Amino acid sequence: LAKTTQPISMDSYEGQEVNITCSHNNIATNDYITWYQQFPSQGPRFIIQGYKTKVTNEVASLFIPADRKSSTLSLPRVSLSDTAVYYCLVGDLMILTGGGNKLTFGTGTQLKVEL
Amino acid sequence: NAGVTQTPKFRVLKTGQSMTLLCAQDMNHEYMYWYRQDPGMGLRLIHYSVGEGTTAKGEVPDGYNVSRLKKQNFLLGLESAAPSQTSVYFCASSYHLAGGYEQYFGPGTRLTVT
Repeated sequence: LAKTTQPISMDSYEGQEVNITCSHNNIATNDYITWYQQFPSQGPRFIIQGYKTKVTNEVASLFIPADRKSSTLSLPRVSLSDTAVYYCLVGDLMILTGGGNKLTFGTGTQLKVEL
Repeated sequence: NAGVTQTPKFRVLKTGQSMTLLCAQDMNHEYMYWYRQDPGMGLRLIHYSVGEGTTAKGEVPDGYNVSRLKKQNFLLGLESAAPSQTSVYFCASSYHLAGGYEQYFGPGTRLTVT
């Protein structure tokens, strides 16, 4: 099962682009890559997900190289309200396979945005 | 829509006591999940359900039981609480099985076992 590694923390300023990379060297063929944002005392909130190449939505882009062993979340023009912990999630649940199924959340990257 | 709600928000238990955490969702999702989050760590999957009446084990199922008697509810039980179960518990639901699809999370239940 894919283990993920992310930087513990990153600092940025308002208006800058932030790129957070997640390493997942043992990603399996069926695994998807999903990113979540979490504010203190709240549950995680979905940002974006992808399988390969590039995915873009209204808040972020996700870049996945051909070997899929890493992925990069790109946040354009961050603001103070983007200060949060960002989690990379890699995995795929198998239905009723008897246990041990897991979706591997990384330890998260604490992003701090300053003026 | 309320989304995903969790009851209670906070609870303190003594070692050996039992309790049930309730998760409810109003999005008609088939799939529901229970996670725990310990300080400075990511979420770990405890159990999940792929539909009413079905449950499956996640990464850390020991010491917990679950039931999904109604589609909108997913209960997490601790039969004999231990200090190692002190954590924040999050429930989530999704329209599709979560590997590649968005999960909607509740606000969490902060449990302390003394």
